[in-house]
Amino acid sequence: LAKTTQPISMDSYEGQEVNITCSHNNIATNDYITWYQQFPSQGPRFIIQGYKTKVTNEVASLFIPADRKSSTLSLPRVSLSDTAVYYCLVGPNQAGTALIFGKGTTLSVSS
Amino acid sequence: GAGVSQSPSNKVTEKGKDVELRCDPISGHTALYWYRQSLGQGLEFLIYFQGNSAPDKSGLPSDRFSAERTGGSVSTLTIQRTQQEDSAVYLCASSPFLPHGYTFGSGTRLTVV
Repeated sequence: LAKTTQPISMDSYEGQEVNITCSHNNIATNDYITWYQQFPSQGPRFIIQGYKTKVTNEVASLFIPADRKSSTLSLPRVSLSDTAVYYCLVGPNQAGTALIFGKGTTLSVSS
Repeated sequence: GAGVSQSPSNKVTEKGKDVELRCDPISGHTALYWYRQSLGQGLEFLIYFQGNSAPDKSGLPSDRFSAERTGGSVSTLTIQRTQQEDSAVYLCASSPFLPHGYTFGSGTRLTVV
């Protein structure tokens, strides 16, 4: 499975846009990019998944350049409740594979 | 049920005792995963069940750890002769046939004293 690298921590203020970039230089052709969010004392929660270009849902946007060696999770106008750990995962979208989580990025949002 | 249910939510045990952790996945989800998360750390993969296939046990840290999944639904993670380093939150997740889009339970916080 492709290894991912993301910042350990980020700080932001309410109302700002936050972009978290993940590097995955060894991404394979059949790999998808998935982001999870984890609040304290809870299990991770699926946020968004993409293969290439841009994906947007009600929570976030995911930008993937043409070479797919990196991806950026964009959170618009964050609030205090967006304080959490964000995990970037890369892996094939097929059965028989358990996703491997890294240490994630701890986002702290202040007022 | 509506989500993944884990029990107990908290467990305190004495060193050397055996513990069993239970996971009820979402009905119809064929894949079930166990992860462990130590304080301030990321998730460590333990074991993965997919339908009737042999489980992927590659993440189990020692032979004191085992898991089973009965009838393709409920799973039990057993830790024998617990050690203090086993203290962590044990998370269970389930997913439909494809692995992406896991739904996690809230975990069992295990404390070995």
